[in-house]
Amino acid sequence: QVQLVQSGAEVRKPGSSLKVSCKASGGTFRSYAISWVRQAPGQGLEWLGGIILISGTANYAQKFQGRVTISTDETTITAYMELNNLRSEDTAVYFCATSPEFLFDAFDMWGQGTMVIVSS
Amino acid sequence: EIVLTQSPGTVSLSPGERATLSCRASQIISSTYIAWYQQKPGQAPRLLIKGASSRATGIPDRFSGSGSGTDFTLTISRLEPEDFAMYHCQQFGSPPLTFGGGTKVEIK
Repeated sequence: QVQLVQSGAEVRKPGSSLKVSCKASGGTFRSYAISWVRQAPGQGLEWLGGIILISGTANYAQKFQGRVTISTDETTITAYMELNNLRSEDTAVYFCATSPEFLFDAFDMWGQGTMVIVSS
Repeated sequence: EIVLTQSPGTVSLSPGERATLSCRASQIISSTYIAWYQQKPGQAPRLLIKGASSRATGIPDRFSGSGSGTDFTLTISRLEPEDFAMYHCQQFGSPPLTFGGGTKVEIK
C-alpha cells in the first residue's frame, strides 16, 4: 500500500529558506497531483499549492506566489516544497497530500506531516 | 477566494448520539466540490466524504454528507468512541482551495 513519507522536522531563522520532501513508497503510485497544505498551531488547514505529476505544472495560492516552489522528481516519486523568506507566521506542520484525478480535488492520501519552526 | 465557515466551533456529545456539523460557503458552490475530513491530534487529516455525499473508501456508513448552494452538512448518525475528533470541510471548485476553520466533536 502506497504511503507518503515526509522529511523530518526543521528549525529555521527568519529570512531563511526551507525545502521539505514527500516520497511515495510501498506500492504502485497512481495519483494525479500532489499538493502542500499547512496547519499552524491550533489553527485550520491552508493550501499552499499543488503540482500535476505527469506534466510538472504547478499552481500556487496567490498568498504564497513568489515565495513557494513545488517540484517533483519522477524517478524517485518525490515531491518537494520550498518556501523562501521565512517568517514566524510560517511556523506550522506542513503536509503533502495527493489528488486522484485533478489538481483541484479532494485529498485522498496524506503524508505524516513535517513540523517547521521559524524562530530567531 | 471562497471562505468556508464551520459551526459550531465545538460540540459536546455522548457516544451513541447524533452529530450534525455545518459548513457554509461565502458563495454558491456545486456540492461536487465539497469534501469533509476527520483529524485526530497529532495525525494528518483523513478523507471522509467527497462530492458532498460520497463516502471515501473504508468510511463507515454512519458518516453522511448533504447540502447544496452555500450550506453543507456532515452527519454522524451514532457517535462511536473513535469519532471524537476535529472535522474540516474543504472546497476544491475554485482555486485557491480552501478549508473551514474546523469543528471539534468532544465527549460530553
